[in-house]
Amino acid sequence: KQEVTQIPAALSVPEGENLVLNCSFTDSAIYNLQWFRQDPGKGLTSLLLIQSSQREQTSGRLNASLDKSSGRSTLYIAASQPGDSATYLCAVSPDSNYQLIWGAGTKLIIKP
Amino acid sequence: DADVTQTPRNRITKTGKRIMLECSQTKGHDRMYWYRQDPGLGLRLIYYSFDVKDINKGEISDGYSVSRQAQAKFSLSLESAIPNQTALYFCATSDLLGSGDEQFFGPGTRLTVL
Repeated sequence: KQEVTQIPAALSVPEGENLVLNCSFTDSAIYNLQWFRQDPGKGLTSLLLIQSSQREQTSGRLNASLDKSSGRSTLYIAASQPGDSATYLCAVSPDSNYQLIWGAGTKLIIKP
Repeated sequence: DADVTQTPRNRITKTGKRIMLECSQTKGHDRMYWYRQDPGLGLRLIYYSFDVKDINKGEISDGYSVSRQAQAKFSLSLESAIPNQTALYFCATSDLLGSGDEQFFGPGTRLTVL
């Protein structure tokens, strides 16, 4: 059974730092992996989608990598800003006809 | 206008009441999903639908039912609400061919069952 883990559960860093959020999964046979952002009282915003054949995706200051063999994905945030404060969730899709399996998230606080 | 909308945004109800949460989307996606989120846990899938005539149970479907009234509408019902159904509920949509099954979420409905 696929399980997704995000460590740490919470992270606080000063503004301007580069940081990495981690996501690990137990079964390397995945269809895709998605990173989301969740702000309090709001829905989830999709940040990056990595297909199983891809190694990384980039959007602005965000870069997500995927290493299926080791069961890991990382979300790299460059030059962090207070507006990056949110909970970041990763989710894995085992195949194209299946639902997402979610990590519990990392709550990120960027201190001005 | 938001692509995925949910109504109501907040609801407080009593044990035993029937509750319906509604979801509408303007993205033209075939696939729709209902999730619940509890503090400290990842999202868990309740039901999903890959087209109007397709309804599938997710991980935690007991105590819930759904209706896919049209491609754009997917509603979630709690026939007899109980306190442990207090949670944040999200609707999502995806399109396998158009966007590689990337999921897009509504703003959520916060449900409290007293």
